[in-house]
Amino acid sequence: GESVGLHLPTLSVQEGDNSIINCAYSNSASDYFIWYKQESGKGPQFIIDIRSNMDKRQGQRVTVLLNKTVKHLSLQIAATQPGDSAVYFCAGLEGAQKLVFGQGTRLTINP
Amino acid sequence: NAGVTQTPKFQVLKTGQSMTLQCAQDMNHNSMYWYRQDPGMGLRLIYYSASEGTTDKGEVPNGYNVSRLNKREFSLRLESAAPSQTSVYFCASSDQTRYSYEQYFGPGTRLTVT
Repeated sequence: GESVGLHLPTLSVQEGDNSIINCAYSNSASDYFIWYKQESGKGPQFIIDIRSNMDKRQGQRVTVLLNKTVKHLSLQIAATQPGDSAVYFCAGLEGAQKLVFGQGTRLTINP
Repeated sequence: NAGVTQTPKFQVLKTGQSMTLQCAQDMNHNSMYWYRQDPGMGLRLIYYSASEGTTDKGEVPNGYNVSRLNKREFSLRLESAAPSQTSVYFCASSDQTRYSYEQYFGPGTRLTVT
């Protein structure tokens, strides 16, 4: 089955800088990936997703990059703000129904 | 729309007690899921229901049962709670399309078993 893992459990960045959160996956057959943001005491919220026929997808201040050769994806947050402080999870699709989640990276914003 | 709602928000049980966690969604989604989240770990799938009337085991089903009561509601039951089941439980729903497998999450139930 699929497994996904995040490279760093914590990441600290200066307010206004760009943040890059990395994730690796194991199943080369996975064709869909998704990023979630989880604020303290809340359920995960969708940020952005990407299918394997794409290398890059952009949203509002966020970009997801997918490198299928090395089975790696990253989430880039531009001009990081205090409201971006949260735990970020990547997940890959396993089969037709299930998402397999990584362990999460806690993003801390320094003023 | 309320989205995905869960009750209760908090619960403390003694070892051996039973309880049912309730989940409902108002988005007319076909699929529903139960996850647990332990400190420092991601979400692990307990059970899921691809459609009304069907349920399947996920990664960590032992000690749990589920019921897909109707399209809106999906409950999780702990028959005999154990301290290892202390966790935060999230319910989610989705309506997979050709383009997205996004799951919508509820606010969670924080369960402590003593």
